[in-house]
Amino acid sequence: SAVISQKPSRDICQRGTSLTIQCQVDSQVTMMFWYRQQPGQSLTLIATANQGSEATYESGFVIDKFPISRPNLTFSTLTVSNMSPEDSSIYLCSVEVHGGAVETQYFGPGTRLLVL
Amino acid sequence: GENVEQHPSTLSVQEGDSAVIKCTYSDSASNYFPWYKQELGKGPQLIIDIRSNVGEKKDQRIAVTLNKTAKHFSLHITETQPEDSAVYFCAAGGSYIPTFGRGTSLIVHP
Repeated sequence: SAVISQKPSRDICQRGTSLTIQCQVDSQVTMMFWYRQQPGQSLTLIATANQGSEATYESGFVIDKFPISRPNLTFSTLTVSNMSPEDSSIYLCSVEVHGGAVETQYFGPGTRLLVL
Repeated sequence: GENVEQHPSTLSVQEGDSAVIKCTYSDSASNYFPWYKQELGKGPQLIIDIRSNVGEKKDQRIAVTLNKTAKHFSLHITETQPEDSAVYFCAAGGSYIPTFGRGTSLIVHP
């Protein structure tokens, strides 16, 4: 398994500003993911962040809006840029852990963002 | 790509009853089916998963069944308790990142 922490746990921000969310894992992992979960909705993948390469973004998400860093195998950041109220959501960090021949995905506690 | 449908969206049961949540998927190449429980204010927690080489897996009060021919899988919770109240997500994946269902809000009344 993996223990994942996120900072901040929640924040209230003004429109037009940016927020950087940090994700720390207790073990080295190759693949880290960032998800968005809007109120009462499912999990939407924003991007995959592999160490040593550029993040891969899903349809509807762009690097200018959600820049991602992945400086090492235990840490990643997601920035929500030029925020608007529509960005109010839970942002979740996730990692894939390899156990033998299988992979399992674990999630962090989430960052709850409210944009006014 | 993969499409996962999850039903029901809301499930209300009395304590001690059983609860069943069903999911269907579209991609026959999917071979990994995890279930997550998300309590209020927390991130999703993996509670059980099943891979395509088995048809059923059980862990205490929780069981998951898989029918690859029909492309559906289900979560079964027996002897439900109030602490089982949460949102449950199914997912289907394989050589790609899992696709998640829309979630089921389970409410267990004492």
